[in-house]
Amino acid sequence: QSALTQPRSVSGSPGQSVTISCTGTSSDVGGYNYVSWYQQHPGKAPKLMIYDVSKRPSGVPDRFSGSKSGNTASLTISGLQAEDEADYYCCSYTGSYSLVFGGGTKLTVL
Amino acid sequence: EVQLVESGGGLVQPGGSLRLSCAASGFTFRSYWMHWVRQAPGKGLVWVSHIYNDGSSTSYADSVRGRFTISRDNAKNTLYLQMNSLRAEDTAVYYCARGQPSFSDYWGQGTLVTVSS
Repeated sequence: QSALTQPRSVSGSPGQSVTISCTGTSSDVGGYNYVSWYQQHPGKAPKLMIYDVSKRPSGVPDRFSGSKSGNTASLTISGLQAEDEADYYCCSYTGSYSLVFGGGTKLTVL
Repeated sequence: EVQLVESGGGLVQPGGSLRLSCAASGFTFRSYWMHWVRQAPGKGLVWVSHIYNDGSSTSYADSVRGRFTISRDNAKNTLYLQMNSLRAEDTAVYYCARGQPSFSDYWGQGTLVTVSS
């Protein structure tokens, strides 16, 4: 199973919005509404930010939102804050009870 | 408070074996799917395996199928990963995570496995 495709890096200034894309195929992202997003700060464990394409776990700010169109899912962070600087990974169900992650995107807050 | 604590990592020679454990607390362990996810140094996350609530169903990534075995003991609130025929490319931090079949909502801090001669 090939990793989902994410941009290696994105950046934005405080207060701005950024969007991270996650491109797969009809066998994963496009085939199921089971895309999740994780935030990982250096040396820390990943944290779930979005699940089932657009659902937010309790405690995650509503500045974080998810969507999907065809084979591409997106994570949008609005009102960018310094603490949002981290690596972000998408993940999709692929059928046969297996999962695949994206390669990760480094978000820099300028 | 949900807690997941991995243990069992370390240095092992190529071809060797290692068993990782993940002690769970703060939630009803038997009610959740559990996952293993790994991260090679400086690299991204890679899903390794997951197991159904009662252990009756398991799945593996192609890269570890036939070499790794996931299991759980719901009486001990513990998840395991038996890793055999280890290769240099298995070197990574291994995380256990709680969740559903398609996502993980709590993660442990990870345990480092280094495969080297």
